[in-house]
Amino acid sequence: DAGVTQSPTHLIKTRGQQVTLRCSPISGHKSVSWYQQVLGQGPQFIFQYYEKEERGRGNFPDRFSARQFPNYSSELNVNALLLGDSALYLCASSWGQNNEQFFGPGTRLTVL
Amino acid sequence: QQQVKQSPQSLIVQKGGISIINCAYENTAFDYFPWYQQFPGKGPALLIAIRPDVSEKKEGRFTISFNKSAKQFSLHIMDSQPGDSATYFCAARVGAGANNLFFGTGTRLTVIP
Repeated sequence: DAGVTQSPTHLIKTRGQQVTLRCSPISGHKSVSWYQQVLGQGPQFIFQYYEKEERGRGNFPDRFSARQFPNYSSELNVNALLLGDSALYLCASSWGQNNEQFFGPGTRLTVL
Repeated sequence: QQQVKQSPQSLIVQKGGISIINCAYENTAFDYFPWYQQFPGKGPALLIAIRPDVSEKKEGRFTISFNKSAKQFSLHIMDSQPGDSATYFCAARVGAGANNLFFGTGTRLTVIP
């Protein structure tokens, strides 16, 4: 069975640019959450979507936005990139809103 | 403010030894405490999880001990193997609302052959 998939694997952007990251959940999972993991730290919650609605938002600026599509895949958008946005962006899916989460391999974003 | 505090930052254990990683929290609304294992270049993988109505949970060589009154929980890895060398994260989640995991800062475990 395919796990959570994320694309792209790596991404290099310059300050001020915009980026879109993509996530496909495990088949049958209806919830997707996004986390940011800065090098040497634990993941930090950004968003959760369940049944295409935002169900939670972490302490991140409005430059960060996300959405979930009818097939439950999701996109994370980050505008006006800053150097500090360089991180591993993780997507996690779960069957329901509060079930255990399974993480994808992440997208490594580097902002120059 | 770090909602879940994890120690030690790094740990070196001989093969066959016991690895112990500790976490503490303050928010009594947390009702789910998972541990994740992460290898370089990979996403975190769920290892074992516990709820506060249980004091201990064991799965194979991995055991979570939970002390609700002290607001502490720990991961014990018995008979540690070189393949266990990874970064371990404890986490916690509030019962109601979003499926928002608060992670500790991680422990890098190295098991020496």
